[in-house]
Amino acid sequence: ETGVTQTPRHLVMGMTNKKSLKCEQHLGHNAMYWYKQSAKKPLELMFVYSLEERVENNSVPSRFSPECPNSSHLFLHLHTLQPEDSALYLCASSQDYGTPYEQYFGPGTRLTVT
Amino acid sequence: QKEVEQNSGPLSVPEGAIASLNCTYSDRGSQSFFWYRQYSGKSPELIMFIYSNGDKEDGRFTAQLNKASQYVSLLIRDSQPSDSATYLCAVKGDTDKLIFGTGTRLQVFP
Repeated sequence: ETGVTQTPRHLVMGMTNKKSLKCEQHLGHNAMYWYKQSAKKPLELMFVYSLEERVENNSVPSRFSPECPNSSHLFLHLHTLQPEDSALYLCASSQDYGTPYEQYFGPGTRLTVT
Repeated sequence: QKEVEQNSGPLSVPEGAIASLNCTYSDRGSQSFFWYRQYSGKSPELIMFIYSNGDKEDGRFTAQLNKASQYVSLLIRDSQPSDSATYLCAVKGDTDKLIFGTGTRLQVFP
């Protein structure tokens, strides 16, 4: 596989469920990102990791919990979500953080909370 | 609140015409500017970036940056139906945080 991959591509979960989104990048990049994309809204940055350390946390509710075990993998753990959390969740990576390198996006996970 | 503004469209142009997409930004300290294309149901795909005032050309695409007026635009020459997508403008300041606009939907009709 090349580029940035995400699994699952689609997820339907109830408000009491716990699930995890997975992202893997095969580009040798050092920075990884989680974004949320809701209809009619701009992409919202949720979390940034650089060399496995969290460097940005944009006031995201604690029901979203990121994990970066190594520079190639990024997880987003979900629990007790709300219907308004239904959105497309995009993972991205870039060569480094804090430099003007472009970000490459994965295909996204379409999340529906019922 | 740092903002990036785009007209949501749709912008409709005939095949073969020039499509002009515009974006304004509020943070005067912004350093880097990106255009992403997003097809319906797909993830954003980087098509152009520009750092300096002026024009940057890549094939049928030209990015134009005017820092004094705080706008960046994307021109698509010889538009094709396959160019129909939402175009996202993104701006980066002195951190690595990308601020996105809501996107402009482009429709190219045969």
